[in-house]
Amino acid sequence: EVQLVQSGAEVKKPGESLKISCKGSGYSFTTYWIAWVRQMPGKGLEWMGIIYPGDSDTRYSPSFQGQVTFSADKSISTAYLQWNSLKASDTAMYYCARQDGGLDYWGQGTLVTVSS
Amino acid sequence: DIVMTQSPDSLAVSLGERATVNCKSSQSVLHSSQNKNYLAWYQQKPGQPPKLLIYWASIRESGVPDRFSGSGSGTDFTLTISSLQAEDVAVYYCQQYYRLPGYTFGQGTKLEIK
Repeated sequence: EVQLVQSGAEVKKPGESLKISCKGSGYSFTTYWIAWVRQMPGKGLEWMGIIYPGDSDTRYSPSFQGQVTFSADKSISTAYLQWNSLKASDTAMYYCARQDGGLDYWGQGTLVTVSS
Repeated sequence: DIVMTQSPDSLAVSLGERATVNCKSSQSVLHSSQNKNYLAWYQQKPGQPPKLLIYWASIRESGVPDRFSGSGSGTDFTLTISSLQAEDVAVYYCQQYYRLPGYTFGQGTKLEIK
């Protein structure tokens, strides 16, 4: 069974750093792109970008380029989304999903709250 | 980026009636040599991650009820629910995965029971 399991909710202060994770199982993790999707409170879905865990090839949406960093550790089938300096406007639910044409499997989401 | 525009923003339909959501892309998402439209539809219920319903514009994902169908080509697409059930209340999104740097989503259509 294909599963993507994300790390738990985070509460951070502005300016702090954060790295959240997405662990894949039940399929060949290195041969499918992993996408990250943001959903701000009460808003729609925003595609942030994708990473190919096989070689860590990464593509960022222009809206998120320079704001976040994707990485992956294929030895433990885990993808990561990282911020160096959080802002209040980063408060959102973040989903990882497997990109196979469409996004066919999704993680449960990680809620990130940034507040002073 | 390709801009995806859905209509309407919200929709109220009676149980058992047909529901139609439209999605228009600012550029064609048809890969002509493959004859495939790089367009997907998702359903999101409150408190849940989105669920893939349709990919390649018209292929139903495994396990999705056959009352859901997708149609269209090029820049204009439609998601149809042939007979609305109570469990179909959700927000529906289209997404193009034809062209990077952004595989953009539509803004979403909220479907409710009339």
